[in-house]
Amino acid sequence: GESVGLHLPTLSVQEGDNSIINCAYSNSASDYFIWYKQESGKGPQFIIDIRSNMDKRQGQRVTVLLNKTVKHLSLQIAATQPGDSAVYFCAEKGANNDMRFGAGTRLTVKP
Amino acid sequence: EPEVTQTPSHQVTQMGQEVILRCVPISNHLYFYWYRQILGQKVEFLVSFYNNEISEKSEIFDDQFSVERPDGSNFTLKIRSTKLEDSAMYFCASSEMGQGQQYFGPGTRLTVT
Repeated sequence: GESVGLHLPTLSVQEGDNSIINCAYSNSASDYFIWYKQESGKGPQFIIDIRSNMDKRQGQRVTVLLNKTVKHLSLQIAATQPGDSAVYFCAEKGANNDMRFGAGTRLTVKP
Repeated sequence: EPEVTQTPSHQVTQMGQEVILRCVPISNHLYFYWYRQILGQKVEFLVSFYNNEISEKSEIFDDQFSVERPDGSNFTLKIRSTKLEDSAMYFCASSEMGQGQQYFGPGTRLTVT
């Protein structure tokens, strides 16, 4: 079946560096994507979203890039901080408003 | 800032028992959802609920599951006869609009022994 998934399960970066987390999706009809952050013991927290009519969207220290040609989504975090350490999920909104999550990438920020 | 709350934070139950997981969505939200996350795995959609009825459910959401909005504030997930494989974190979420951002609660950890 169609699914949303992630390239890398773990990512370790130095504090202050930029982080890039990648995600591949297979449903070419998907038109809305969200990145969530999940800290230990907490529920997913919205970070940023993007619709398929855009290829880039910026937030505070975060940028999401969408490449529909290769069905690839990425999350860039600028000047990564220890508080950014978490699991990051990309998610695709399904036809009935359910969120279909990828497997997650664990980001670890080293001081 | 308004938030989704869930109780209890941790529920331990014996196999075959019924459990009810409770959620209080954000007050002006109209769309409600349940998700689960088995330890170490991805978050999985269970069910969406709008206007007092289920609008969509996944293949996970079989006859042992049911949802209810018993009053104007609570949204519950009932598992009728728990199985070992039901052990997971269960997240409730709500959104103001069907296409809007979903806000997740902190989750209930269900352990079936």
